[in-house]
Amino acid sequence: DIVMTQSPDSLAVSLGERATLNCKSSQSVLFSANNKNYLGWYQQKPGQPPKLVIYWASTRASGVPDRFSGSGSGTDFSLTISSLQAEDVAVYYCQQYYTTPFTFGPGTKVDIK
Amino acid sequence: QVQLVQSGAEVKKPGASVKISCKTSGYTFTGYYLHWVRQAPGQGPEWMGRMNPNSGVTNSPQKFQGRVTMTRDTSITTAYMELSWLRSDDTAVYYCAKDVAPAYSSSSLYFDYWGQGTLVTVSS
Repeated sequence: DIVMTQSPDSLAVSLGERATLNCKSSQSVLFSANNKNYLGWYQQKPGQPPKLVIYWASTRASGVPDRFSGSGSGTDFSLTISSLQAEDVAVYYCQQYYTTPFTFGPGTKVDIK
Repeated sequence: QVQLVQSGAEVKKPGASVKISCKTSGYTFTGYYLHWVRQAPGQGPEWMGRMNPNSGVTNSPQKFQGRVTMTRDTSITTAYMELSWLRSDDTAVYYCAKDVAPAYSSSSLYFDYWGQGTLVTVSS
């Protein structure tokens, strides 16, 4: 199974400041045939299901503000919130869909400092 | 609009089974893979398996094989997940989630819509 790890476990950022979340996979999730990274990011607020934020490692999902961006390739990925807003407080999970079993990271909790 | 509406919370004793429903609307039910994901308290999500609603073919990780059964009723665009031989560590919120990948494709992708979740509590 591909193991997903995330760092830090939590971070507190001032409103308007940048937040950078990291995700690492135990093996590459880059599919060479199409040069796509099979990596997504989800945002989860308390009492709600996860919400897709980023897919293919760097493509914003529909309706996601452009302050969210994803980067990385192979085994190392990042999610950046360029200017943290109050509504961004949540836990963020990365997930690989390269191969079954699809696996999620343990999450990074983002709070306001 | 796409909606996945799940059945309500359940309390079960160890050794029992639970069956959760996921009523879908707003898209072609048989057109996209449907997944089940669970989340134990304070933990990250855990993938339990997927179903091709068109063919009924299912896949689940070895961890759940023999305990999880995924079915569907296409006439009412509803998917079901039954988990048997419940243990205390099965206490979790269970979600259904729609894949963006069409059912005719061989591989799944990411999940664009999720149900609201069903809390299953296993306690003696």
